Amino acid sequence: EAGVTQFPSHSVIEKGQTVTLRCDPISGHDNLYWYRRVMGKEIKFLLHFVKESKQDESGMPNNRFLAERTGGTYSTLKVQPAELEDSGVYFCASSRDRTYEQYFGPGTRLTVT
Amino acid sequence: GESVGLHLPTLSVQEGDNSIINCAYSNSASDYFIWYKQESGKGPQFIIDIRSNMDKRQGQRVTVLLNKTVKHLSLQIAATQPGDSAVYFCAENIGGFKTIFGAGTRLFVKA
Repeated sequence: EAGVTQFPSHSVIEKGQTVTLRCDPISGHDNLYWYRRVMGKEIKFLLHFVKESKQDESGMPNNRFLAERTGGTYSTLKVQPAELEDSGVYFCASSRDRTYEQYFGPGTRLTVT
Repeated sequence: GESVGLHLPTLSVQEGDNSIINCAYSNSASDYFIWYKQESGKGPQFIIDIRSNMDKRQGQRVTVLLNKTVKHLSLQIAATQPGDSAVYFCAENIGGFKTIFGAGTRLFVKA
């Protein structure tokens, strides 16, 4: 069984630009989560999809962040326009149902200069 | 607000010794706790979990202890090996939804 994959692994962009991160969950996993870790801080929850619906987006920092999961398969997280404080590692995780074990992807390291 | 914190940011142990990583949580409504291991360049990897109706759970070389009275969680690694070197996160979960992570403890294993 393939694990959670994320693309790209690294992204360096300038302040004000747009970046789109992609997450492919484990096949059959209806639950998909986005998290991020900014430098020196703990991993923070961003949002949770159940299939294509947003179950909980309470962790999204502001309206510059837009997450989608069309068709309930892969998900994208767009940051527009990017700010310096958006730099960090963005993780995606998935789980089969609302059981608790989440499988994490390797993360996308975003650097905003 | 809700938070899960760690007492020690770094821990250095001798190979073969036992390691104990501690964590405090603040939300008494949390009903599920998880320990994750993160190696460089990888995402967090599930190690062991425990539900709030238990106080101890054992896995292979790892044990998690939960003390709900003082809201304390610990991870014990027996016979620590170089491959155990990583950052360890405790996390709490309420109702199976979002997971709240602690800051992480870096474990160094000296050969």
